[in-house]
Amino acid sequence: DAKTTQPPSMDCAEGRAANLPCNHSTISGNEYVYWYRQIHSQGPQYIIHGLKNNETNEMASLIITEDRKSSTLILPHATLRDTAVYYCIVRVAVANNRLAFGKGNQVVVIP
Amino acid sequence: EAGVAQSPRYKIIEKRQSVAFWCNPISGHATLYWYQQILGQGPKLLIQFQNNGVVDDSQLPKDRFSAERLKGVDSTLKIQPAKLEDSAVYLCASSTGQNDKNIQYFGAGTRLSVL
Repeated sequence: DAKTTQPPSMDCAEGRAANLPCNHSTISGNEYVYWYRQIHSQGPQYIIHGLKNNETNEMASLIITEDRKSSTLILPHATLRDTAVYYCIVRVAVANNRLAFGKGNQVVVIP
Repeated sequence: EAGVAQSPRYKIIEKRQSVAFWCNPISGHATLYWYQQILGQGPKLLIQFQNNGVVDDSQLPKDRFSAERLKGVDSTLKIQPAKLEDSAVYLCASSTGQNDKNIQYFGAGTRLSVL
């Protein structure tokens, strides 16, 4: 699986959109971009994933650049409960393929 | 729908003792994973089961770690004997195992402290 690069930490203002960047310059054509987050003392939680089109669900939006070398996770209205470590993972979406977590991006939502 | 259940939530042991963790995946999920998460790092896969068979145990320290999923449902991870560096959170996850989104659902984990 291709490697990803995320900032180690960032702060966001409560009520504002939070834009979380991820670089994956070596991504292959059949690799998807997955986002998980881990709130303190909990297990990771799936957020969203995409291949090349932008995706949106009830939690977030995923914007993938046309060359697919980077992406941005958008939390539209950040709340204090969105404070967590966010992981960007690139992997082939086949059954039983492992998730290779990096250190992630510690996001703190500030009142 | 009930989530992934793990027990115990916390465990404190002395080095060279043995310990076991239990996981009950989401009903109907064929694939079960055990991860180790050391403080400040992301989770690292230890072992992956498809039903009751091992798919990947390449990162499991087999001299001291063992895991089983005898009936293809719940699973046990054991460490014997424990070392100081085994202090970590042990996470269990499950997925349908089908070639779709393959989303993994995680339990809250067991925090192990080895003294």
